[in-house]
Amino acid sequence: ETGVTQSPTHLIKTRGQQVTLRCSSQSGHNTVSWYQQALGQGPQFIFQYYREEENGRGNFPPRFSGLQFPNYSSELNVNALELDDSALYLCASSLLRGEETQYFGPGTRLLVL
Amino acid sequence: DQQVKQNSPSLSVQEGRISILNCDYTNSMFDYFLWYKKYPAEGPTFLISISSIKDKNEDGRFTVFLNKSAKHLSLHIVPSQPGDSAVYFCAASADMNRDDKIIFGKGTRLHILP
Repeated sequence: ETGVTQSPTHLIKTRGQQVTLRCSSQSGHNTVSWYQQALGQGPQFIFQYYREEENGRGNFPPRFSGLQFPNYSSELNVNALELDDSALYLCASSLLRGEETQYFGPGTRLLVL
Repeated sequence: DQQVKQNSPSLSVQEGRISILNCDYTNSMFDYFLWYKKYPAEGPTFLISISSIKDKNEDGRFTVFLNKSAKHLSLHIVPSQPGDSAVYFCAASADMNRDDKIIFGKGTRLHILP
């Protein structure tokens, strides 16, 4: 059973650019959540996808968007990058919607210059 | 406004002694609480959880206590081991079945001293 993987591990972008981060869920997991972890902070919920539909969203602007594919892998897209978007982006998968135990990937560290 | 607060950014404990990590919350609707552990360059790993119908949950060396009237929970690690050195996040949710988001605290960095 493979764990949650994310790519790329690190990324540097400039302000105004767009970025796509990818997540491969743990085998059999149909729910994926994305989190942003700024330096010195805990993870902040961005949104969750369940069976390819958005299923809950945190306080993030619409320029943060996502996709979940039929194989339950997922993407996080951020448009018009701002300096404050620099953070560690984590995805977490769970077996069922509403299951408490989420399995996190190692994250993608994004730096916006 | 922080709904989940971990007021100690760091904690140092001698190996073999008890580590106590504290967490306070403000939202009385929270009914499920989790602790995650995070090593550098890795994602958080689920450690232990407790629902609001209980006041204690134990799993090996890890015990979580919940005091609903005080809106306080704590994680006890006994005995502390070098591998316990990590950042610990407290998290809470109002109703997982309603797909409410999980709210994390800022974390406490635990150092286990030899």
